[in-house]
Amino acid sequence: DGGITQSPKYLFRKEGQNVTLSCEQNLNHDAMYWYRQDPGQGLRLIYYSQIVNDFQKGDIAEGYSVSREKKESFPLTVTSAQKNPTAFYLCASSPGTGGTGELFFGEGSRLTVL
Amino acid sequence: AQSVTQLDSQVPVFEEAPVELRCNYSSSVSVYLFWYVQYPNQGLQLLLKYLSGSTLVESINGFEAEFNKSQTSFHLRKPSVHISDTAEYFCAVSDVRSGGSNYKLTFGKGTLLTVNP
Repeated sequence: DGGITQSPKYLFRKEGQNVTLSCEQNLNHDAMYWYRQDPGQGLRLIYYSQIVNDFQKGDIAEGYSVSREKKESFPLTVTSAQKNPTAFYLCASSPGTGGTGELFFGEGSRLTVL
Repeated sequence: AQSVTQLDSQVPVFEEAPVELRCNYSSSVSVYLFWYVQYPNQGLQLLLKYLSGSTLVESINGFEAEFNKSQTSFHLRKPSVHISDTAEYFCAVSDVRSGGSNYKLTFGKGTLLTVNP
């Protein structure tokens, strides 16, 4: 089945630790995205990538980093510099240029900082 | 720049009642419009979309939305809701740019629909 796989689904970390969330897609999409979701705040864009080896900051990039070494993979690292990392993280992809903007989402990863 | 306003953060209704979830957008260019649904602890799933043509679009589970360009709205409706429709609903917009460089959705903050027995 084609889709987006995020792992882990649940993750706990101690303050001061970096953590990496995995996102893999087999839809052959060019563009990939990371969103953060907090109750009552909707979805906020962290980073996005339109093509391999290139990515741009979204609205709330501080304290996060990404890489796009392969078309199908777009991991997100939540660093110790992120002041309030507890949240639900969603990865998405889209065909990219020439598309409608429609996004295809993974099942999400819930990060809790203890 | 675009923006999306979902006028109600929560909508409680009784089972089998009709429901309308309101969405207004702001954009200086032509747009594509989407409604997504999110069940607890899951990702977002596309419910329906307006790209062009008929302004009334329907989903397979009985929801419909109407694009109203003059009012810049894309309200979601269902004539009779079920318990299983309880979820959060997000309205989103992307702009139709010339050259096909279309890659970002702007989301509203979501409306939590709670269907009570």
